Amino acid sequence: RKEVEQDPGPFNVPEGATVAFNCTYSNSASQSFFWYRQDCRKEPKLLMSVYSSGNEDGRFTAQLNRASQYISLLIRDSKLSDSATYLCVVLPPGGFKTIFGAGTRLFVKA
Amino acid sequence: NAGVMQNPRHLVRRRGQEARLRCSPMKGHSHVYWYRQLPEEGLKFMVYLQKENIIDESGMPKERFSAEFPKEGPSILRIQQVVRGDSAAYFCASSPTPGQEIMNTEAFFGQGTRLTVV
Repeated sequence: RKEVEQDPGPFNVPEGATVAFNCTYSNSASQSFFWYRQDCRKEPKLLMSVYSSGNEDGRFTAQLNRASQYISLLIRDSKLSDSATYLCVVLPPGGFKTIFGAGTRLFVKA
Repeated sequence: NAGVMQNPRHLVRRRGQEARLRCSPMKGHSHVYWYRQLPEEGLKFMVYLQKENIIDESGMPKERFSAEFPKEGPSILRIQQVVRGDSAAYFCASSPTPGQEIMNTEAFFGQGTRLTVV
């Protein structure tokens, strides 16, 4: 089993749609969780951290379920500019050897 | 305040040559991390360095790969006798201190070096 697994994608959605990405992680002692966004051939950029209580940033909502070792990202009212690859990122015990999922590609169409 | 700077952005090498990738951390940062991203895959941790010290190189192949972060100058990732499988994007990140807080910095990654081995 991979340390971090994501929905395979790609997701093709129309503008205005709501789309959800899932991610599971294998190490129950993992400390912190993040969603990163990566545009084609560019560096990953932090989208948002994921907190146990769930958190929202505009159209984006992240949820963490420690019992099920599961993280999710919900994007509402999708924009063309949301087209990118979304990376689930887990920080295991030890604090610096971050583990990235393979990413889920999203295409938002007009 | 410049972010993490990597050069070159693109590097083409023939099989058997050496590749040297450079990473200048953000000003004031003394911790550097290297990651490799193969096509269609996520980033994989390679090595974590502090000035003049390798802290953790468990993600780096034991042969042909080496990394350093000297007291002066950029961090260098060196790949000797490159093979086609080394073709990837290599990203560098830096932080002022190690650990969890590095992930909450928006300018965490450099723009990467894309290595192509022909």
